[in-house]
Amino acid sequence: DVKVTQSSRYLVKRTGEKVFLECVQDMDHENMFWYRQDPGLGLRLIYFSYDVKMKEKGDIPEGYSVSREKKERFSLILESASTNQTSMYLCASSRDRYQPQHFGDGTRLSIL
Amino acid sequence: RKEVEQDPGPFNVPEGATVAFNCTYSNSASQSFFWYRQDCRKEPKLLMSVYSSGNEDGRFTAQLNRASQYISLLIRDSKLSDSATYLCVVNGTTGANSKLTFGKGITLSVRP
Repeated sequence: DVKVTQSSRYLVKRTGEKVFLECVQDMDHENMFWYRQDPGLGLRLIYFSYDVKMKEKGDIPEGYSVSREKKERFSLILESASTNQTSMYLCASSRDRYQPQHFGDGTRLSIL
Repeated sequence: RKEVEQDPGPFNVPEGATVAFNCTYSNSASQSFFWYRQDCRKEPKLLMSVYSSGNEDGRFTAQLNRASQYISLLIRDSKLSDSATYLCVVNGTTGANSKLTFGKGITLSVRP
């Protein structure tokens, strides 16, 4: 079974802090994704990566950056957290662009 | 037309009812289609892939209509445990930039 592990289930940070969300997958998947999910807006893609050290902007990259130094790990960085980044963050991975994505449990991030 | 568009909801049905969800997509070259299920405050999980010939898994039937560019999910003999949000997923773009696009989801409530 595919296992996607996110570092925290719940996180509370303050405005202006730099926040790191970590995601690790154990299936040697090429592709990894970061989404945020908000009520009424569905899943929105922030960044994705199709290979190590490679990254592509998704639909809402502003205020975020990512890092993929190793194949199994994909990190999301909030450079200077703001209250409008309070959300559920979901990491996913897939074998290739056409295969289904497998999600981690999610991180509920609150920015105060 | 949006890349992926789902029926407006929510759906509220009695136990034992048959319920159908539709989802339209805009890219006629799309090749991958899936239905996901998401329980409240949990991550989305793959329910089933959708194949050109249609496919069935127990009480669930998924179909693809390429001519009209929609996929459907039929749930027969609804159970209380089917209450969840159902997301349709399509690879909305093709080629090098191909990635999956998630619909906003439709919420199903099954009542006793």
